[in-house]
Parts: sequence; C-alpha cells; structure tokens
Amino acid sequence: AQKVTQAQTEISVVEKEDVTLDCVYETRDTTYYLFWYKQPPSGELVFLIRRNSFDEQNEISGRYSWNFQKSTSSFNFTITASQVVDSAVYFCALTPYSGAGSYQLTFGKGTKLSVIP
Amino acid sequence: DGGITQSPKYLFRKEGQNVTLSCEQNLNHDAMYWYRQDPGQGLRLIYYSQIVNDFQKGDIAEGYSVSREKKESFPLTVTSAQKNPTAFYLCASRTGAGSGNTIYFGEGSWLTVV
Repeated sequence: AQKVTQAQTEISVVEKEDVTLDCVYETRDTTYYLFWYKQPPSGELVFLIRRNSFDEQNEISGRYSWNFQKSTSSFNFTITASQVVDSAVYFCALTPYSGAGSYQLTFGKGTKLSVIP
Repeated sequence: DGGITQSPKYLFRKEGQNVTLSCEQNLNHDAMYWYRQDPGQGLRLIYYSQIVNDFQKGDIAEGYSVSREKKESFPLTVTSAQKNPTAFYLCASRTGAGSGNTIYFGEGSWLTVV
C-alpha cells in the first residue's frame, strides 16, 4: 500500500517570504515516481515536477526548488520570494514505476497556500 | 494546441439521472484516467484505461462507468447508482516511458446534484 502525507493543511505567508511545503510518503516499491501539482482556484491541476526514486538530485526551477531525501521518504517543495500568483492548493503524489504498470497516482490531501500581498 | 479537454465545465444533475462527462485528448497518449476530488480531499481514482477497448476499475468505481472506443476519448458516466456524485471530476492522460510516464490533467468538470 502507498500513502502520501501532507501534514500542512493550510499555510499563509506574506508576499516575498519563502515557504516550504512538506511531503512524506510511504511505499514498498523500490522504484517510483514522485510528483508535485499546483491547483489554482480555476481547478486545473498543473504539473510542476516529476522525480524518479533513483535520482536524488535536488532541482531548482526559477523560484521553485525541490528537496528529495530518500532516507526520510520526503519530497519537500520550496517557493522562494513568494508571490500572490503562487496562491493555490499544492498536491504531492506518488506512483510505482513498473514498466507496463498502470502508474496510478496516490495523492496527498493537499496544502492550501495563501500569499498575502 | 495540444491538451486535454473536458466538458462541460459545470453540470447539474437531477437525482436518478445518468450524466456523461466528456474527456478528449490530442496528445496521442495511450493511458487515460478519471479522478474524483471532494472538498479538502486529495484525488481518488475512479477508472483508468491503458489502451483502446480496455479499462480497469480504480478505488471508487461503484456507480460509474466508462468506455474507450477511441484513443482520444474517455467519457465517464455517473449513474444513478452513485449515491453522492456531487464533486469535481478530473480527467488525465499519461505520456509514454520515453517522457517519464508523466500524468497531465484537464481543467475538470463540476457536477452538482439538485
């Protein structure tokens, strides 16, 4: 069984502050993918990043960065110098990597981020 | 433009009626998915299809049905057997292994029972 836990239900920050969204996962699979998605008020889920379990390099994309630590089963997401447009619900998700598998995503319950101007 | 199109965006259903949500993709993806989202909850898998004319139940398939007659289309029918259908429904499709098996989503459909 797989599980994704996003312990932070809601976070509020003032614009330009840095903020980290936590994601902890459980899986028995040795290889898997981790994802982060952004859901703005319009509802669409926007893909942000995919990370393979065998690649533990951290990644930076503009103001976004991701810290993957296999030893603690965590895949945290940091937004630097937050902006109002970052206000959204952010989901962490997990799927096993299994060649011809179905790649069904298991989602956390999401963290609602509010950036206050 | 390539993408996943869901329609309608908003749908109202009377109790006892079946309704069908449309999902079309022009990304040439083989696999497609339907997820349900309830307020304050993560997404839960209803059905998925890895290839035309084949589909599998997800975690909450009861009261729903799907078809996959064309690669581009994966419609979801919410039947009268679904006891609590009011929710946000998201369709998704997946790239192949060469692109990292990444799952992309449509804009979603809001279904309300009146």
